[in-house]
Amino acid sequence: AQSVTQLGSHVSVSEGALVLLRCNYSSSVPPYLFWYVQYPNQGLQLLLKYTSAATLVKGINGFEAEFKKSETSFHLTKPSAHMSDAAEYFCAVSGGSQGNLIFGKGTKLSVKP
Amino acid sequence: DAGVIQSPRHEVTEMGQEVTLRCKPISGHNSLFWYRQTMMRGLELLIYFNNNVPIDDSGMPEDRFSAKMPNASFSTLKIQPSEPRDSAVYFCASSLENEQFFGPGTRLTVL
Repeated sequence: AQSVTQLGSHVSVSEGALVLLRCNYSSSVPPYLFWYVQYPNQGLQLLLKYTSAATLVKGINGFEAEFKKSETSFHLTKPSAHMSDAAEYFCAVSGGSQGNLIFGKGTKLSVKP
Repeated sequence: DAGVIQSPRHEVTEMGQEVTLRCKPISGHNSLFWYRQTMMRGLELLIYFNNNVPIDDSGMPEDRFSAKMPNASFSTLKIQPSEPRDSAVYFCASSLENEQFFGPGTRLTVL
């Protein structure tokens, strides 16, 4: 069965600092992995996705994530945080059928001036 | 494309009333998902359809909840009767392969 664990429900960084949001997955099949972002009072938007091509995936707004099979990880990073990055971030793994995704519990990112 | 469309965006109702939430998926997508999001429980999958057929409704909390997808371009989530603990944001999402596209959500408040 597929599952996702996001370490840290809240992460706080200073503006300009590195952003690192952690995600570990469990999957019985080669996974498709996703990061979504949710800004306040909005729906979830796709940041980036891994679909078995390059292991380093670049997304929107300067975010990227690296698929590491040996560590079963798909951590999200951004070199320099902006105030506008404050949001909740969800990691997800494909559920194996018909587009179903298994979501993590989310990590709320705060950015301090 | 207009994206996933949900209506209404906000709904305030009284306990015991019937509530119907509506969703129009992206044209050409063959899977549709209903989620509920609350502070306490986070994002929960309620039910999903593939080619208009319900595939997994194990997330539907009680018999008071029901969902239908009469055709490829429309789905409803109904709560009858509604209770205050049903207050949440309800999201609809659609997909063609693995990537899901979310609607803006319906914020439901049951008084």
